[in-house]
Amino acid sequence: GENVEQHPSTLSVQEGDSAVIKCTYSDSASNYFPWYKQELGKGPQLIIDIRSNVGEKKDQRIAVTLNKTAKHFSLHITETQPEDSAVYFCAAFSGAGSYQLTFGKGTKLSVIP
Amino acid sequence: ETGVTQTPRHLVMGMTNKKSLKCEQHLGHNAMYWYKQSAKKPLELMFVYNFKEQTENNSVPSRFSPECPNSSHLFLHLHTLQPEDSALYLCASSPSEGRADTQYFGPGTRLTVL
Repeated sequence: GENVEQHPSTLSVQEGDSAVIKCTYSDSASNYFPWYKQELGKGPQLIIDIRSNVGEKKDQRIAVTLNKTAKHFSLHITETQPEDSAVYFCAAFSGAGSYQLTFGKGTKLSVIP
Repeated sequence: ETGVTQTPRHLVMGMTNKKSLKCEQHLGHNAMYWYKQSAKKPLELMFVYNFKEQTENNSVPSRFSPECPNSSHLFLHLHTLQPEDSALYLCASSPSEGRADTQYFGPGTRLTVL
């Protein structure tokens, strides 16, 4: 089955700096890669996603890049703000076999004012 | 709000109790999911229902029993749980299983087993 590795597990940045979280996946058939943000006491919320036919996608301060050859994808947050502090999860959807989302272990991002 | 609600938000139960978790989605989706979230572990998929039919059971112990009476409601019945079952239980929904669609999560039920 699919295996998703996520790094780093914790990340601290100064307000205004950029943050980058990286994930690798194992199943070359995976074709959908969402990123979720989970704040304390809440469920994960989708913040951006990318499909395998696209290399990069941006939404304001958030961007995701995908390298299918290397089987890795990354989340980039620019001009970080204190409200960006949360746990971020990457996931990969395999279109073959299990048809499930496989999640990374999460990255706890702290933005220091 | 994501359109997925869960009750109760917090639950404390003894190992001999029987309780149920409830999930309701107002998104018109046809697939619903139960996940278990434990500290320092990836989200673990437990069950999947598609058009009210169970399509996945990821080797979940029988002390967890799901029920899906219609596409909008999902229950997780709990009995004779163990302390290691303490976790955040998340419900999610998506338009249909088997497609690369976004899953929308509820806020979760924080379960503590004494």
